[in-house]
Order: sequence, then structure tokens, then C-alpha cells
Amino acid sequence: KQEVTQIPAALSVPEGENLVLNCSFTDSAIYNLQWFRQDPGKGLTSLLLIQSSQREQTSGRLNASLDKSSGRSTLYIAASQPGDSATYLCAVNPSGTYKYIFGTGTRLKVLA
Amino acid sequence: SQTIHQWPATLVQPVGSPLSLECTVEGTSNPNLYWYRQAAGRGLQLLFYSVGIGQISSEVPQNLSASRPQDRQFILSSKKLLLSDSGFYLCAWAQNTEAFFGQGTRLTVV
Repeated sequence: KQEVTQIPAALSVPEGENLVLNCSFTDSAIYNLQWFRQDPGKGLTSLLLIQSSQREQTSGRLNASLDKSSGRSTLYIAASQPGDSATYLCAVNPSGTYKYIFGTGTRLKVLA
Repeated sequence: SQTIHQWPATLVQPVGSPLSLECTVEGTSNPNLYWYRQAAGRGLQLLFYSVGIGQISSEVPQNLSASRPQDRQFILSSKKLLLSDSGFYLCAWAQNTEAFFGQGTRLTVV
């Protein structure tokens, strides 16, 4: 059974720092991994999608990497801003299924 | 462009009352559709998914059911709500492996 873990559960940093959020999964047989952002009381916003054949994806200040064999992904946020404060969730799409399995998220607070 | 609509945004219902949450997707055809629930302080739990009209897969046996009467419409229902049904319900669609979510419905059962 696929399980997804995110560390740390919460993170508080001063503005301008570079951050790394971690996501690990127990079964390397995945189609893809997707990172989302969730603001309080809101739905999820897709940030980056990494296909199983890819090693990384970039969008603006965000960079996500995938090491499928070791069951790990990292989301790198450069030059963090207060507007980056949110919960960040990763989800894997296991091979042979239509499901998305989520981690419990990292709650990020960037202090001005 | 594709959009997903989910309503209502908030709902307060008494125990034992019925439930109907609706989700529609625009700008795409034959999407995979999903219902997730997010309880306070917990992760997203997959409740149901559908890969076509009338095709429903249930992940968690419980007090809820889902239906897909049209290609881009997904409905979450209950005949009698329980207190434990309270939570944040999210609808999602996916195509070509990327998933997109609605804004959610906050359900409080009192």
C-alpha cells in the first residue's frame, strides 16, 4: 500500500530564505508526482507535476525534483516571501491506478 | 480553458438529514473525477473516483455515495448524515495525469 510522508509538518522562516520541503513515498511504481499549495479554507492549487520519467520541473521560484528509485521528492522555494505562506501537499499517482495519494502536508509560514 | 465548479461553499446540516454536493467541470471531456475529504488536521482521504459516466469506485465504505449522471458532473450524496461526516470536501478532475481541484465545501453536521 502506497504511503506518502511529508517532513517537516510545519516550518517558520524569515523572508528571503531558500527552503526545501520533503516528500517521501513507499512504492516507487508511480506515474507521476504532483505538488500543490493550499491556502486556509481553500482548495488546492497545482504547482508542479513531475512525470515518472522526469527528474525535475521548474516554475518561477519553485523547483521540484524526483528520485523515484529512492522514493523521494523535494520542493525547493527560492527567496521565500510572505505570500508563500500556505500548506504544501505532495501527491503520487501510483502506476496502474487512477488514484492520487496525498501526504499530510507541510504548513509553511514566511515572516516579513 | 478548463474550470471546475463546486457548490455550496459552506453547509451546516443536522444529523440525520440528507446531503447532496455537486461538482461540474467545463472545458474538457471524459475527465476522471474525484471526491476527497479533508478532516481537521489530517490529510486528504480519497472517497470516490470515476473514470466515466455511471462508473464509480468507492475507496472507503461509509455513509456516503457518489454518482456521475453526466460526463462532467459528479455528485456526492448521503441519505442520513452523521456527526463524523463533518469536514472539508474537495472535488477534483484529472486528465493526462495532472489533477485540478475545486474550492471545496465546508460541511458541518450539528
